[in-house]
Amino acid sequence: DTGVSQDPRHKITKRGQNVTFRCDPISEHNRLYWYRQTLGQGPEFLTYFQNEAQLEKSRLLSDRFSAERPKGSFSTLEIQRTEQGDSAMYLCASSLGQGDKNIQYFGAGTRLSVL
Amino acid sequence: RKEVEQDPGPFNVPEGATVAFNCTYSNSASQSFFWYRQDCRKEPKLLMSVYSSGNEDGRFTAQLNRASQYISLLIRDSKLSDSATYLCVVNFSGGYNKLIFGAGTRLAVHP
Repeated sequence: DTGVSQDPRHKITKRGQNVTFRCDPISEHNRLYWYRQTLGQGPEFLTYFQNEAQLEKSRLLSDRFSAERPKGSFSTLEIQRTEQGDSAMYLCASSLGQGDKNIQYFGAGTRLSVL
Repeated sequence: RKEVEQDPGPFNVPEGATVAFNCTYSNSASQSFFWYRQDCRKEPKLLMSVYSSGNEDGRFTAQLNRASQYISLLIRDSKLSDSATYLCVVNFSGGYNKLIFGAGTRLAVHP
């Protein structure tokens, strides 16, 4: 499978714990995005990387959230001291960053449940 | 006001029906427009890009009206497999191509 891969698919954690998610983009895609989706809503942008540089962060990304893409390939999203409001689907997308359309392809997501 | 607004539905239609969804966006600097499809508990998948001149892909037709800041999707001859949530998506110039999603319109096609 050469699509965007995310791990784990599901994560259940207790409030206050730290969690980390991983995203492997499509090979050669230099742009990587994280989104969050809650029930009944569309995905909301969290952050964006071009290669290893984090170029944009949403105000949704509080200081408990940190994302990295150390070698410009896979990315991790860490949430510290999780809260019940963090329960959501976390989606990763990647794109080639060429041409007008810059189509983004999404992974299957990591569903987080904070108890 | 939300940046991208859609009627949440659900639209319940019989097989073979024609159904249309509309979407409005607030930022006139929006640059690119898309419809994504999302099945229950799955990731969004690109259905089609939307061009100023309008475009068609099989049973699906998308239209863009920049003056009114509105986008539409028409599905002809609905199939059971068309049942899904349809997400209207825009990106704004200067925003590193981050996508702004509507909340989605649910479509249920019944026999």
